[in-house]
Amino acid sequence: DVKVTQSSRYLVKRTGEKVFLECVQDMDHENMFWYRQDPGLGLRLIYFSYDVKMKEKGDIPEGYSVSREKKERFSLILESASTNQTSMYLCASSGTSPVPLHFGNGTRLTVT
Amino acid sequence: KQEVTQIPAALSVPEGENLVLNCSFTDSAIYNLQWFRQDPGKGLTSLLLIQSSQREQTSGRLNASLDKSSGRSTLYIAASQPGDSATYLCAVSRDAGNMLTFGGGTRLMVKP
Repeated sequence: DVKVTQSSRYLVKRTGEKVFLECVQDMDHENMFWYRQDPGLGLRLIYFSYDVKMKEKGDIPEGYSVSREKKERFSLILESASTNQTSMYLCASSGTSPVPLHFGNGTRLTVT
Repeated sequence: KQEVTQIPAALSVPEGENLVLNCSFTDSAIYNLQWFRQDPGKGLTSLLLIQSSQREQTSGRLNASLDKSSGRSTLYIAASQPGDSATYLCAVSRDAGNMLTFGGGTRLMVKP
């Protein structure tokens, strides 16, 4: 079974802090994604990566950056956390389509 | 820009009923359509993937259909059970990269 592991289930950070969300997958998947999920807005794509050291902006990249130094790990970085970044963050990975996405259990981030 | 809509937003049915969840999308140029299940506070679990050239996919009590030309998909759940209670999301991919656009989900409650 594919396993996508997000390092934290819950995080509380202060405004202005630099925040790292880590995601690791164990299936040698090429593709990795970061989404955020908010009530009434659904899931929105922040960044994605199709290969090591490669990254592409999704629909809402502002205020975020990513890092993919190794194939199995995709990190989401909030350079200076703000209260409007309080959300559920979901990481996903897949091989080359047509195969489904596999999601981690999410990190619920609260910025105060 | 692709938009995905799911109706109804919430549904409550008695155990044993057959039910249909609806998904529509505005741009018919899709690569595949995926249905997911999400339990409260958790990540998404893949249920079914339909490629753009396919009409339907089945897994156990679940059957998903796709009418690409009209921009619609349905998820049919037979003989519903309380354990089916969850939020069901559909998503479409525009290419093999698996970058998904999600609908807002249908929150299903199956009462014993």
